[in-house]
Amino acid sequence: DGGITQSPKYLFRKEGQNVTLSCEQNLNHDAMYWYRQDPGQGLRLIYYSQIVNDFQKGDIAEGYSVSREKKESFPLTVTSAQKNPTAFYLCASSTGSFQPQHFGDGTRLSIL
Amino acid sequence: SQQGEEDPQALSIQEGENATMNCSYKTSINNLQWYRQNSGRGLVHLILIRSNEREKHSGRLRVTLDTSKKSSSLLITASRAADTASYFCATSNNAGNMLTFGGGTRLMVKP
Repeated sequence: DGGITQSPKYLFRKEGQNVTLSCEQNLNHDAMYWYRQDPGQGLRLIYYSQIVNDFQKGDIAEGYSVSREKKESFPLTVTSAQKNPTAFYLCASSTGSFQPQHFGDGTRLSIL
Repeated sequence: SQQGEEDPQALSIQEGENATMNCSYKTSINNLQWYRQNSGRGLVHLILIRSNEREKHSGRLRVTLDTSKKSSSLLITASRAADTASYFCATSNNAGNMLTFGGGTRLMVKP
């Protein structure tokens, strides 16, 4: 079955540590996205990529970094510069502009 | 700031009743999409309505769009306990490369 796989489901970060969240899709989608969701809130866009080797900042990119070396993969690194990283992180993909997005089941990041 | 704002923030109904959620937005849009999120899970796309459409149906879902009022509504008819979830509207910018989500409506359907 095609879909988006996010791993791990739960992740704990120590102060001053960088952590990387994995997102893999086998839908052959060109576009991929990372969102942050805080409790009881909507989604905010961190980064998006419309094509391999290209990505753009979203509304809240500070303290985060991404790469898009392969069409299937769009990992997100939460750096130590992100002072409030505790949140639910969602990855999504779509066939392109104006199209519905397909979501993974998220990674919940907490600070130790 | 968020483009879409849902109303109400929370809604509790009995099974079999209809549920109506509203979404307002601020700027011009290309399309508006509705998504469902079960607790602790990712979002699932429900329906997309384009700016030149006024109404769209999908099974028990009915979506309306009023671009003059910059608002949309999602109606779920004959609700079921399995419809319990959060529902979000999202608007696409004119370039189509970004979705902006509202804060969501948390729907509880009691059996």
